[in-house]
Amino acid sequence: GAGVSQTPSNKVTEKGKYVELRCDPISGHTALYWYRQSLGQGPEFLIYFQGTGAADDSGLPNDRFFAVRPEGSVSTLKIQRTERGDSAVYLCASSLSQGAGGYTFGSGTRLTVV
Amino acid sequence: AQKVTQAQTEISVVEKEDVTLDCVYETRDTTYYLFWYKQPPSGELVFLIRRNSFDEQNEISGRYSWNFQKSTSSFNFTITASQVVDSAVYFCALSEGFYTGANSKLTFGKGITLSVRP
Repeated sequence: GAGVSQTPSNKVTEKGKYVELRCDPISGHTALYWYRQSLGQGPEFLIYFQGTGAADDSGLPNDRFFAVRPEGSVSTLKIQRTERGDSAVYLCASSLSQGAGGYTFGSGTRLTVV
Repeated sequence: AQKVTQAQTEISVVEKEDVTLDCVYETRDTTYYLFWYKQPPSGELVFLIRRNSFDEQNEISGRYSWNFQKSTSSFNFTITASQVVDSAVYFCALSEGFYTGANSKLTFGKGITLSVRP
């Protein structure tokens, strides 16, 4: 597609439930990133994929968070046993492996845990 | 560890005023990239500019200009003749590594909310 697509745009879930957030990057972009943005804060890095593999997952807050990118394009961020503190906007970005431009971000998924 | 500080939290100006957004960064890397992003109410982060640590040449692009000073670790952004459509949250960001700068994780500041009144 023309841009980075994230679905759903909004997700409300109950505490303790499992959620999946999807990111469809720009076609041909080999690098994919997940960030989390809490209210009034800047985005915080979660994980970075180069192709199918996670090149850097140092930002994942704990083992309830997991992300995959099995075919090197679409990625899914998975959160188990959600907690109210997980409520935030989850942003996905993609970039060319070797590029002069910046990352292209999606519009994000707003996750609310009640 | 990398850190980006945007000391200003909110700025309000009247249309046509010039406004400068400040950014100070910390890094132990000798090669790095600096970015400015704009986040309008729609929520999507819009890329504005990227600068590498070797390029201190300042730039003007239309109503936007950037002042990168390595000696003071600052990367400030100025909007000339502001317009209502400039109202947004502006983020400064830093990434480590020169050759992988386009692919390294970004460290963002907390953002500056700019309101431009008609």
